[in-house]
Amino acid sequence: GAGVSQTPSNKVTEKGKYVELRCDPISGHTALYWYRQSLGQGPEFLIYFQGTGAADDSGLPNDRFFAVRPEGSVSTLKIQRTERGDSAVYLCASSLNPLVRNEQFFGPGTRLTVL
Amino acid sequence: DAKTTQPPSMDCAEGRAANLPCNHSTISGNEYVYWYRQIHSQGPQYIIHGLKNNETNEMASLIITEDRKSSTLILPHATLRDTAVYYCIRHSMDSNYQLIWGAGTKLIIKP
Repeated sequence: GAGVSQTPSNKVTEKGKYVELRCDPISGHTALYWYRQSLGQGPEFLIYFQGTGAADDSGLPNDRFFAVRPEGSVSTLKIQRTERGDSAVYLCASSLNPLVRNEQFFGPGTRLTVL
Repeated sequence: DAKTTQPPSMDCAEGRAANLPCNHSTISGNEYVYWYRQIHSQGPQYIIHGLKNNETNEMASLIITEDRKSSTLILPHATLRDTAVYYCIRHSMDSNYQLIWGAGTKLIIKP
């Protein structure tokens, strides 16, 4: 079956621009997570959705970052006024029922480069 | 600190068992130990998890010490495709659902 997909796979933008990164989770997975990963480090949690609502957004670094999941499926991570320090791989994951078992299925990531 | 301690890198010969250690000396009673791996340029992949008992699945075995302060992930017959970064993660089902990742162990399988 289809796994988690993310688009685009690569995004190059200029400092100060706005970007949107999309995540299509596995069908039926109610939980969705965004992480970002810098070179040589493990993923860093950003935000967790249960259904349409953001259950935990404590990992968002500042108010330039925002994420939505309006219909409880596809999610979009939005970054305003991008900075060079935002350059990283942004990973999306989904899971069926984290209350029972938190096996997260990851997408391939979007590599964001801010020039 | 919710992180774990792993060696930064390890080598293993192809066909041998790869044993990856992880220290989690301050783990709480309600925290599970999860293992993921990340092959170069791919997203992380779930391997296995456990609470107290040893666990085995088609990918690996997880051995957790009786005091739960450390664990070992065992890949019984390592292949070149097992070369990856392996992450050991503590995770509580009682709190939020984020996974807190360390830097992991870079496992290199050599022919």
